[in-house]
Amino acid sequence: GAVVSQHPSWVICKSGTSVKIECRSLDFQATTMFWYRQFPKQSLMLMATSNEGSKATYEQGVEKDKFLINHASLTLSTLTVTSAHPEDSSFYICSAIDQFSNQPQHFGDGTRLSIL
Amino acid sequence: QKEVEQNSGPLSVPEGAIASLNCTYSDRVSQSFFWYRQYSGKSPELIMSIYSNGDKEDGRFTAQLNKASQYVSLLIRDSQPSDSATYLCAVNLRSGNTGKLIFGQGTTLQVKP
Repeated sequence: GAVVSQHPSWVICKSGTSVKIECRSLDFQATTMFWYRQFPKQSLMLMATSNEGSKATYEQGVEKDKFLINHASLTLSTLTVTSAHPEDSSFYICSAIDQFSNQPQHFGDGTRLSIL
Repeated sequence: QKEVEQNSGPLSVPEGAIASLNCTYSDRVSQSFFWYRQYSGKSPELIMSIYSNGDKEDGRFTAQLNKASQYVSLLIRDSQPSDSATYLCAVNLRSGNTGKLIFGQGTTLQVKP
């Protein structure tokens, strides 16, 4: 089945640091990738949708200058949390689909980000 | 009104019983529906997808969809302690799987040995 790899799985860093999270589709071409954030005891909240080769579409309330998304190839999307602060600590999860295969979204293993 | 609503639970059932998880959605144009299982600290794992009214069975899992009532459910037969997790209902507005998913808050299931 479809495999989505996310790296790193855990990040602890100081406030003000920028953190990059990678999301890779290992066995299919991901025309679209989604980035979610999940706080403890809450559901997944979509942050943005990225399509290969174009700018990401951000959900209302998500700062595009703080959460930089790049989807430069059909197998890789990156999320950079710029100047991270403790309130950005969360579980970040990516998912990917191939729009032409009609397969459901498959999720990466997630990245737990802790900002001290 | 939330777009996708679930009872947060916890829903507690004894081992071997049937667990019934429910979900309602607000947008009538919703086309495809998914159930994901999420263990604590892990990312969601797809359990079932359903696109048309009626029942869809896969092993111990049965998804039921009623678009007129805007209702989708998941039945787990012969529940096992390993089924204890949070179950997320997700709705896709577009047909197929090309659109973004809207998630419910999840229902926590506890299966007691």
